[in-house]
This record gives sequence, structure tokens and C-alpha cells, in this order.
Amino acid sequence: EVQLLESGGGLEQPGGSLRLSCAVSGFTFSSYAMSWVRQAPGKGLEWVSTISGNGDTTYYADSVRGRFTVSRDNSKNTLYLQMNSLGAEDTATYYCAKDIRVTASEIYFEYWGQGTLVTVSS
Amino acid sequence: DIQMTQSPSTLSASVGDRVTITCRASQSLTSGLAWYQQKPGKAPNLLIYWASTLQSGVPSRFSGSGSATEFSLTISGLQPDDFATYYCQQYKSYPVTFGQGTKVEIK
Repeated sequence: EVQLLESGGGLEQPGGSLRLSCAVSGFTFSSYAMSWVRQAPGKGLEWVSTISGNGDTTYYADSVRGRFTVSRDNSKNTLYLQMNSLGAEDTATYYCAKDIRVTASEIYFEYWGQGTLVTVSS
Repeated sequence: DIQMTQSPSTLSASVGDRVTITCRASQSLTSGLAWYQQKPGKAPNLLIYWASTLQSGVPSRFSGSGSATEFSLTISGLQPDDFATYYCQQYKSYPVTFGQGTKVEIK
């Protein structure tokens, strides 16, 4: 059974940093690209970032480029999102999602975690 | 960036109805489009990919069609479990973009 479990969310002050983790099981982690998608309270879905299966290729939304960094540790079956210079606009539930191929191209999201809430407020 | 526009934003329907949600892309996607269902407090669930391929385990009352810039999701015989919000997503190019969502409500 495929499982994705996010952690690391919480309340952070504007300008602060958080690192989200997504621990996965039930599939060969290194064989699939992985993504982060977020959803602000009461709003729609927003793609954040994608990383290829070997970690060599990454993509970012303009809204987070230069502030967020996606990475993965294939030996630990874990995906990460380092979030710096947080602002109120980053308040959202962050989902990790399993893509359907190893490359980060033409990706859609086959499995999702339950999400972790990030709140940025003073 | 490719903009995705869904219509309607809200749809009121009854159990047993046939409902159709439309998604329009600002550029041709060929058929790189997926549909998701999301219920309150839950993660989205993949329904359809490549515009018309049903994800394993998804009931056959869901179907997708379209190409280029016009796509649709149809639910044939709405069930109580289908009242939710539906999103389209293009994956032809980065940045990946979603439609704004269509909430299917009980009439």
C-alpha cells in the first residue's frame, strides 16, 4: 500500500523558516518524481515544486523560487521542502504527491499525503 | 504560463443527474490534462489522466473527454459520494497549473 506522510508544519513568524518532510512507503521511492502542492485555506490547489527521481532536476513555482528548496533522500525514502523567508501568503496545507514517472516531465499526481498545515503569522 | 479556467464554479445537482464540468486551457495541451476530486479536509484524489483515461479504482460513471484547449469531466448518474470539489490540472508544461475548482453541491 502506498503511503505518504507529511510532517514539519506549524506556526512560524514572517521571515522565518520551516522544513517539511514527507516519508513514503509502498513503492520504490527513487523510481518516481515527487512534488509539493499547497492549498491556502478555502482556496484552490497550487503546484509548488517537483523533483526528479534521482534528484538532479527540480522545478519551482515563481511564487516560491529562490525561497524554497526541494530535495530528497532516496536512502531514507523521504522528500523535503525547505521553506525560507516565509510570508503570510505561504500559509497553506502542503501536500506531497507521488508523480507517475521518474523524470519530472508531464507529471500528474497519482497519490497524495494527508497534508501538513503551515501557518505564517506574528 | 498556461491558464486553466473551469466552469461552472458551483454546480447544484441531484442524485442521479448527469453533470458536466468544463476546463479550458489558454494554450493547447494536446491531451496532457488530469482531473481530481477533493472532499473537505481531505487530499485530492486522481480521477482521470491524459484527458480520458480512468484511474484504477475510479467508478466508471466518471469520464473525461476533450483535447487541445477544451476538456470536460462528466459524471453519469451522480451519487451521494460524488458531492465534492473537482479540479483540472494541465501537465503539458511547467509551471503545472490547476483550474480554480468546481464545487458540486446537493440541489
